[in-house]
Amino acid sequence: GDSVTQTEGLVTLTEGLPVMLNCTYQTIYSNPFLFWYVQHLNESPRLLLKSFTDNKRTEHQGFHATLHKSSSSFHLQKSSAQLSDSALYYCALRGGRALIFGTGTTVSVSP
Amino acid sequence: GPKVLQIPSHQIIDMGQMVTLNCDPVSNHLYFYWYKQILGQQMEFLVNFYNGKVMEKSKLFKDQFSVERPDGSYFTLKIQPTALEDSAVYFCASSLLGVGYAEQFFGPGTRLTVL
Repeated sequence: GDSVTQTEGLVTLTEGLPVMLNCTYQTIYSNPFLFWYVQHLNESPRLLLKSFTDNKRTEHQGFHATLHKSSSSFHLQKSSAQLSDSALYYCALRGGRALIFGTGTTVSVSP
Repeated sequence: GPKVLQIPSHQIIDMGQMVTLNCDPVSNHLYFYWYKQILGQQMEFLVNFYNGKVMEKSKLFKDQFSVERPDGSYFTLKIQPTALEDSAVYFCASSLLGVGYAEQFFGPGTRLTVL
């Protein structure tokens, strides 16, 4: 079945440094939709980025990601982390009706 | 932005009892979802509901589970009877469209503890 893999459980970094969160997926669908959701403490998960176009960079709020179907990847990047980026980040895949989530990566940014 | 509300935020019940989790989706949304998250694990899809019908469900959506949304009221997840393994956070989500790229808006979750 469909699956999403996020290899990092926890990423800790200093404010101002770049951040990259890995996301790879497996799916039977040839045109999957990939999403990044962010969940701050005591808040609901909310959509950060989405893409379904191969090799096209998508950006929002300083974050960017590019869907690469050749490597089944949708890594999330930001050039300079801020304290407010501390949160739980989920990569998710939608081939059929269901959203399939990865295990999530907790990002902790310190001064 | 649009908000999904969930009531209650916490629920503690004894095994074997019935529980109903309530979701107030975004007002003009048509598609509704429930997800289950066991502590320390990822969110997992339970069910997708549209136009009064279950469109898709996962193997986690056991026979003891049911969903409904009577005429614009809450979208509910009922578990009857509950089991210990039902302890989890249950997230409700809604979307305007059912297509793959449609954004799903999530509620804050209901933490269910079955004793």
